[in-house]
Parts: sequence; structure tokens; C-alpha cells
Amino acid sequence: GAGVSQSPRYKVAKRGQDVALRCDPISGHVSLFWYQQALGQGPEFLTYFQNEAQLDKSGLPSDRFFAERPEGSVSTLKIQRTQQEDSAVYLCASNRAGMNTEAFFGQGTRLTVV
Amino acid sequence: AQSVAQPEDQVNVAEGNPLTVKCTYSVSGNPYLFWYVQYPNRGLQFLLKYITGDNLVKGSYGFEAEFNKSQTSFHLKKPSALVSDSALYFCAVRDASLTGANNLFFGTGTRLTVIP
Repeated sequence: GAGVSQSPRYKVAKRGQDVALRCDPISGHVSLFWYQQALGQGPEFLTYFQNEAQLDKSGLPSDRFFAERPEGSVSTLKIQRTQQEDSAVYLCASNRAGMNTEAFFGQGTRLTVV
Repeated sequence: AQSVAQPEDQVNVAEGNPLTVKCTYSVSGNPYLFWYVQYPNRGLQFLLKYITGDNLVKGSYGFEAEFNKSQTSFHLKKPSALVSDSALYFCAVRDASLTGANNLFFGTGTRLTVIP
């Protein structure tokens, strides 16, 4: 596809349930990012991949959060034992190599933990 | 440490009037600066960026932004606002001196409302 694709668009999880969020980046983009956007806030960095290597996971809020990109394209963000504070929009972005390139964002997955 | 401040949560402007959305930043080295726009239930859309060179950069939909190093600012501007410009605007920064620090730091956003 032409843009970054995320699925599902909406996810409702019961507290304690595990969830998996998928991101399909733009073809050929080596860098992939996950961000968390709470209501009324700007996106906050979670983790960064260059190809299949996870180079920075400093933004992951706890060890319940795990991300992977095993073949350097599709990425999955997994949240184990979800808590209410995990409710947010999870955004995926990708860009070509180079720090001066702009990132392209998907529409996000809105996670609601009840 | 990198940070971005958007001092106004809300900006209202009449249609046809010029608009400004303010952004200031803090980085250790040289900044790469970006503006994104977010419409309801949509992802962030790239508007423009400053990397180097001319301090005035032009972007999509008639928007422009001016990089001011002495004031550490990167305000977004448009000469004549449209009702369709109403949206949430985010300023973001990368520190060009940090190897491998590819992620963007975002401000908290400014909601622009253009009044017909």
C-alpha cells in the first residue's frame, strides 16, 4: 500500500488480557517507530527499529510491553496483562534512512482497557 | 535532553486572516524540526521540515514556518486561514548531533479553529 497501515483500528481489552497491535510500514522504509498518544497529549516515543534490529526501547513503559520486527518489515507491539493506564492511541511510523527524513504515520490503533 | 513547547493549547482565527502556531524547542546540538497536522480519527500528516539552509521553509497546503536559532523557535504560519485548516497541530524535534537518536520529540499540540 501507499501508506503505513495499522490494525486493528480499535481494540477493547479486558484488564489483564494480552493484546497485539500490527504495523505495516511503507515498503522500503528501514526505520520503524512506535509511539503512544494519550488523550489530549502529543505522541510519546516507545521504541525504534532499524530493519529487524531494535535499536532503542527506552520509551517502553514497563516489561509488559514488547515489540518485534523479525523480518525487517511488519512490526508487532504486544502488551501483556493490560492495565487501564495502557488505554491510548498507539501510532506506528516509518521513514527512509537518515535523520533528516520525515516520518510517515499510520492512523493508529485506539486501545481501550476496561 | 530534547523538548518541545507549544505554549498555546488553542488558537482561534477568522477565515482569511493570517495564522501563527507557536513552537519553541530545546536540543543539545543542531535541531531537525518538523510540523505535523492531525485531523479527527486520522494519523499525523507531515506538513514541513527544517533541516538546514534557508530559515523560511514552505510546506503543504500553503503553510510555512520560520526557523529562528537565537529564539529557538519554529513557528508555523499561513497568510490566509481556511476553515479546512481547523485541526490539531504538532511541532516535533530531533537532535541532529545524537547518533542513532532517530525518534521525534513532540509538543503537546495546538488546536487551531478557523472561524467562518
